[in-house]
Amino acid sequence: EAQVTQNPRYLITVTGKKLTVTCSQNMNHEYMSWYRQDPGLGLRQIYYSMNVEVTDKGDVPEGYKVSRKEKRNFPLILESPSPNQTSLYFCASSRWGRAASTDTQYFGPGTRLTVL
Amino acid sequence: KNQVEQSPQSLIILEGKNCTLQCNYTVSPFSNLRWYKQDTGRGPVSLTIMTFSENTKSNGRYTATLDADTKQSSLHITASQLSDSASYICVVSENTGTASKLTFGTGTRLQVTL
Repeated sequence: EAQVTQNPRYLITVTGKKLTVTCSQNMNHEYMSWYRQDPGLGLRQIYYSMNVEVTDKGDVPEGYKVSRKEKRNFPLILESPSPNQTSLYFCASSRWGRAASTDTQYFGPGTRLTVL
Repeated sequence: KNQVEQSPQSLIILEGKNCTLQCNYTVSPFSNLRWYKQDTGRGPVSLTIMTFSENTKSNGRYTATLDADTKQSSLHITASQLSDSASYICVVSENTGTASKLTFGTGTRLQVTL
């Protein structure tokens, strides 16, 4: 089954404790992206990757890191989490990420992160 | 600043009734417009994608329209079902010339009741 998976689905942590949220897709997609979703706000892009070893900042990259060593995986790293990073996080992928692309973007199930 | 505004914020309708959700955008230059359905606690799922040249697209009981001149789109749901209860998100893609740049609306929360 074609899908985007994220782990963990739920995480409660404390300020400053490094964490990684994993994301994996089995559709051989070139493009992957991370978003956060907060009440009253639309999804906002954190980082994206057009291909292996190619990553770039989205709209809200501060406090986050990513890497893309393999096509299928795109982990999100919070080196020193803070309470304002409490949010619902979504990973997504699509075949291509070019501006004119009409490829469907597939979203993972989400990771609900709480930073105390 | 590129924006996507959706209305209404929330809507309650009876099962079997039709409804229409609105989306206005200021994103420029425009590439395409997408509608997503997001069930509570789940990731968004794509319903339709429309380019500049398309003014209507259907997916089962969902029909999206696009007026690129007025920068408006609507999503019409026919003969609603309880399973249509969800948030519906309008997303506009900006033609940056390089990477895809999506601007998300805040969604319309639809509740279908008996």
